[in-house]
Amino acid sequence: DQQVKQNSPSLSVQEGRISILNCDYTNSMFDYFLWYKKYPAEGPTFLISISSIKDKNEDGRFTVFLNKSAKHLSLHIVPSQPGDSAVYFCAASAGTGANNLFFGTGTRLTVIP
Amino acid sequence: DGGITQSPKYLFRKEGQNVTLSCEQNLNHDAMYWYRQDPGQGLRLIYYSQIVNDFQKGDIAEGYSVSREKKESFPLTVTSAQKNPTAFYLCASSLTGSTDTQYFGPGTRLTVL
Repeated sequence: DQQVKQNSPSLSVQEGRISILNCDYTNSMFDYFLWYKKYPAEGPTFLISISSIKDKNEDGRFTVFLNKSAKHLSLHIVPSQPGDSAVYFCAASAGTGANNLFFGTGTRLTVIP
Repeated sequence: DGGITQSPKYLFRKEGQNVTLSCEQNLNHDAMYWYRQDPGQGLRLIYYSQIVNDFQKGDIAEGYSVSREKKESFPLTVTSAQKNPTAFYLCASSLTGSTDTQYFGPGTRLTVL
């Protein structure tokens, strides 16, 4: 079964506004979470991550929030740019190794100029 | 049921030996990918193939080789030229190369002794 879920397959946002991508997980043993971005005809590229000891991690326009009690994380992009249009994957692992890396199915973000 | 299979889940090899990792999909996807995952890092693309009998190098192709003789199969050979072969290897597929969601296999952990 899907332990990491991205329930919104697509999202459209106006340029300059905030994009919020959501991700839910079921396994309380997950302690490391990642977001990947994928452009067409390319593999996904690592975007940002967060450890379970934190509830927020920020990198430029990208911020990831983690709510452990709700088993929920979100990726905020502010301000959104047309170049951000891509598919975003949420992933989670239990432990710092990669033995059990679970991915969501992705959310396609379209930023409208 | 449809999906991507990778075998074996764990693989041990002696240094200097070539080893081939299997990846099979029955999703009728055109595109397939190989990634490498190291602890604490995002996925790194090794090779990808958008169509049978065609493939392209990813970010870290040195020391690896692939073939795509059949739509459903995309084996990866880790050669002795790969300096740090011990890692977790993920195969993925997507409907087309210009897509959409990539579906990942369960991975193979390769340990070179």
